[in-house]
Amino acid sequence: IQLTQSPSFLSASVGDRVTITCRASQDISSYLAWYQQKPGKAPKLLIYAASTLQNGVPSRFSGSGSGTEFTLTISSLQPEDFATYSCQQLNTYPLTFGGGTKVEIK
Amino acid sequence: QVQLVQSGTEVKKPGASVKVSCKASGYMFTSFYIHWMRQAPGQGLEWMAWINPYTGGTNDAQKFQGRVSVTRDPSIATVYMELRRLTSDDTAVYYCARCTHASGCDYWGQGTLVTVSS
Repeated sequence: IQLTQSPSFLSASVGDRVTITCRASQDISSYLAWYQQKPGKAPKLLIYAASTLQNGVPSRFSGSGSGTEFTLTISSLQPEDFATYSCQQLNTYPLTFGGGTKVEIK
Repeated sequence: QVQLVQSGTEVKKPGASVKVSCKASGYMFTSFYIHWMRQAPGQGLEWMAWINPYTGGTNDAQKFQGRVSVTRDPSIATVYMELRRLTSDDTAVYYCARCTHASGCDYWGQGTLVTVSS
């Protein structure tokens, strides 16, 4: 299953609302997770089951969607949110990831 | 607290094998599958394999054509990933992670850099 993320690069300012899209090549129900990754660090789980916020993740992060189209929204971008975001499908093996969206400071 | 601690950086020659370890602590080792992913320089994440620490059962991505083996030692709560017949395309940071279908990969190791170079 291919996951296509858009955009691949995003320039935004602190306080902006940011939306990242992940499209699956076939129905994956709600078996989708979102991760944040900073340079030199392991990915950090933000959202699982498409819309469930992982414990300890700020409420400005939210996820939605099911089937083949999913979104990750950051309601008000904070300085610590500048990172790369990736989606992952856990419906079918091999598990696959999207290509990533790099969020940079405008 | 839950921790996955991986072994250190490796430098290998083409054709060699590498074995990376992942030691789990802070939870019941046999209760969660451990998955291996890798990330080549500047690239996205790629799933490689999983192991059921309770049974030792495994599954790996067809792409690796039998080059990858995942084993575990429950007595020391450690999982091992061995990749054989290395090429320069295998240069990457390798991660272990605790994952479930329903809840994603909630804990990750710190990553192990494997460099393949002649």
